[in-house]
Parts: sequence; C-alpha cells; structure tokens
Amino acid sequence: DAGVIQSPRHEVTEMGQEVTLRCKPISGHNSLFWYRQTMMRGLELLIYFNNNVPIDDSGMPEDRFSAKMPNASFSTLKIQPSEPRDSAVYFCASGWDTMNTEAFFGQGTRLTVV
Amino acid sequence: GENVEQHPSTLSVQEGDSAVIKCTYSDSASNYFPWYKQELGKGPQLIIDIRSNVGEKKDQRIAVTLNKTAKHFSLHITETQPEDSAVYFCAASLGGNNRLAFGKGNQVVVIP
Repeated sequence: DAGVIQSPRHEVTEMGQEVTLRCKPISGHNSLFWYRQTMMRGLELLIYFNNNVPIDDSGMPEDRFSAKMPNASFSTLKIQPSEPRDSAVYFCASGWDTMNTEAFFGQGTRLTVV
Repeated sequence: GENVEQHPSTLSVQEGDSAVIKCTYSDSASNYFPWYKQELGKGPQLIIDIRSNVGEKKDQRIAVTLNKTAKHFSLHITETQPEDSAVYFCAASLGGNNRLAFGKGNQVVVIP
C-alpha cells in the first residue's frame, strides 16, 4: 500500500479564495483524522470520521472549515473563505476503529494564504 | 479535555549519548501512549507505543516508560545516531475512542 496520500503537497492561495485539501486513506482503514500543525499550537485534531461518518468535529475552528468523506477511500477538507491565519500544514491520518491503535499519517499539505 | 506537555522543547546530544524526552498528561482515563517521529517535510510516524497495563517497553535502541500514578511517560533513545535527529511527539489517548491528544513536540539534534 502506498500509505495515506494527500494532495496537493503545497498550496498557495490568496485570502478569500476557497481551498480544498484531499486525502486518500490506507485501504481497509475505517477511521480518518484531519490535523492542523503550526509552530504555536502543535498538532491539533480538527475532525475525526469513523466508517465515513463524522464523529467529532469539535476541533474545527470556524464555520469556514468543512470536511466530507463521501466514501471509504476519499476525504476532503475545505476552507471557504481562506484567511492568512489558516496558513499551516494539514495532515490526514487513517487507522482502524479499535482502541489504542496506530494512526498512519500522510505527507501533509502545506497551505499558505497570502 | 486531555492536556499533554513535553519537556524539553529542544534537546541536543552528542552522537552515541542517550536522549530522554518526558511527557505529562492530565486525564487519568488515558490508557494508550504513542510516540511519533517527524522528519523534515514528512508526516509523523509511530516509533513506539505503550499501553497502561505495562510500565516499560523496549524496541532496540528505543524504550518508553510509563508512570500512571504520576501521569508521566518518557522516551529513551540510547546510542544516538545522526538519523535520530527529528521532532518527537508524545500523545495520549482520549477516552471513548481512538483519538489522540499530542504534545507540542521536541526537537532532538544529534551532533556528530
């Protein structure tokens, strides 16, 4: 398996534009996580899906952020409209829906909003 | 909610020496404690984990110890090598499912 695949690797966009980040989890995994990483706040969990259903979105910072998982092999994180403070590295991770198991991270998408 | 803290934030060691990173957590219900290594430009990768029913686990040059009473756990790297240079994150499970709360990371620099 190629691991968790995220696209794009880098995204530069202007403030106010819509940004869509994409993730393909590892085949067979039924949990999917979106994280945001910044120097100030470290790794923050934004949202967690189990069997394609959002379980906990309490980490989503604002209504400008939304995430979907239409099927077991694809998820998106959308920011609309984007703001400079959204600049960060966004990671997608997947795993099995059992307690105390490893989360496998993708390479991340570095987002810069200017 | 769970609060995970790591110390020190940066650690420099001579090649061949040992490195120790400590983490504390706040939720007594946490029962799973993984450590992740993040190299530049990559996502975090699990290197070792420990569950609450054991106090120590070792995998070659890496070991983790857990003190549930004091709510702290530590990562030990022996005979450090330049390729050990990275950011290390500790994490603790949140109750009820397989979510994790991460610490802010430690930058470990191994000096050849």
